[in-house]
Amino acid sequence: AQSVAQPEDQVNVAEGNPLTVKCTYSVSGNPYLFWYVQYPNRGLQFLLKYITGDNLVKGSYGFEAEFNKSQTSFHLKKPSALVSDSALYFCAVSDSGGGADGLTFGKGTHLIIQP
Amino acid sequence: DTAVSQTPKYLVTQMGNDKSIKCEQNLGHDTMYWYKQDSKKFLKIMFSYNNKELIINETVPNRFSPKSPDKAHLNLHINSLELGDSAVYFCASSGTAHPYEQYFGPGTRLTVT
Repeated sequence: AQSVAQPEDQVNVAEGNPLTVKCTYSVSGNPYLFWYVQYPNRGLQFLLKYITGDNLVKGSYGFEAEFNKSQTSFHLKKPSALVSDSALYFCAVSDSGGGADGLTFGKGTHLIIQP
Repeated sequence: DTAVSQTPKYLVTQMGNDKSIKCEQNLGHDTMYWYKQDSKKFLKIMFSYNNKELIINETVPNRFSPKSPDKAHLNLHINSLELGDSAVYFCASSGTAHPYEQYFGPGTRLTVT
């Protein structure tokens, strides 16, 4: 069975500061890792993914994430936060790689960027 | 040019009723999904369909049944609604070119009274 842990319910960051949203995972095979963002009253939007290759992956809106196999982590980062980044962020994992299986999501982390 | 659409956006109904939620995608994707998001924002997969075949079926009650008339549609039928079914239901789709990227609909907020 696969699982995802997002240890922080909420992360508060001042605008302009760097941000990190933490995620750790557990899978039996090779991990396929994702970050999605949900704005209020909206569906989830894909941000970025790690399938293979470079451990640092870049995604939409200036976000990036670093895959760390030894720590089984896939933390989301951004060098300079914007107020508009405030949203609910979900980390997700799949071990099938085939896409037809659904993703297993973490419980989500509220990111609040303070002006 | 909405990619994944759902109707209705809001659905309020009484216990015991039968209701349906419709989902359509115009992305040409092969796989569609239904997720349930509870009041604590926890998101869980319910079903996925690939080329009209059920791929996975998580341990959801058999009161829930997905129906896919064609590749672009995956509707969710719910019989004998219960209070615990109140949640936001999201439809999503993914294609063979980028099978790991799922596109989500705006969600349907179901309230059972």
